[in-house]
Amino acid sequence: EDKVVQSPLSLVVHEGDTVTLNCSYEVTNFRSLLWYKQEKKAPTFLFMLTSSGIEKKSGRLSSILDKKELFSILNITATQTGDSAVYLCAVEGADDMRFGAGTRLTVKP
Amino acid sequence: DVKVTQSSRYLVKRTGEKVFLECVQDMDHENMFWYRQDPGLGLRLIYFSYDVKMKEKGDIPEGYSVSREKKERFSLILESASTNQTSMYLCASSTPGGFSNQPQHFGDGTRLSIL
Repeated sequence: EDKVVQSPLSLVVHEGDTVTLNCSYEVTNFRSLLWYKQEKKAPTFLFMLTSSGIEKKSGRLSSILDKKELFSILNITATQTGDSAVYLCAVEGADDMRFGAGTRLTVKP
Repeated sequence: DVKVTQSSRYLVKRTGEKVFLECVQDMDHENMFWYRQDPGLGLRLIYFSYDVKMKEKGDIPEGYSVSREKKERFSLILESASTNQTSMYLCASSTPGGFSNQPQHFGDGTRLSIL
């Protein structure tokens, strides 16, 4: 059965720290992996990854995919309190899109 | 910017009631989706639609139905609400391309409580 596992489930850091969020998956006929940030409302799109080894970067956030080992990481450098959110990983397979349970990140001042 | 609008932010209904959750998108997207989000379970797909009058079951369709009479509107229906359907419901839309080759754009969610 297809599954997406995120770790850790929750994380508390201080401003300025660097964090790495993990997403591993088992999906039939992988098509893409997406990262979303969810604050109080709807998830907002961060990255879509389809190819191994190519880093996607947006400001302090970056992400990379390893299709051989079936995982992706989301890095956030110099964290700020505004980065506090649930980060969702989603993987698209042949017939569906599966979401992980999310990582709740709390950044303390 | 894509806007996905869900009709209610909060909704309280009673067991056995028929409940309608409405979702409208303004970007002429072909694909629309309904998810529910529960703590520790992430987002789970209930139903999705590729086109008008088209619907496909997701992972957890039991107890739900959907309607897509117009391209911009996708309705989720709880035929006879039960307490285990208390949840946050999220609607999303995307342009076509396989199942969802483009990122999905989400509405703000409807927090539904069934008493």
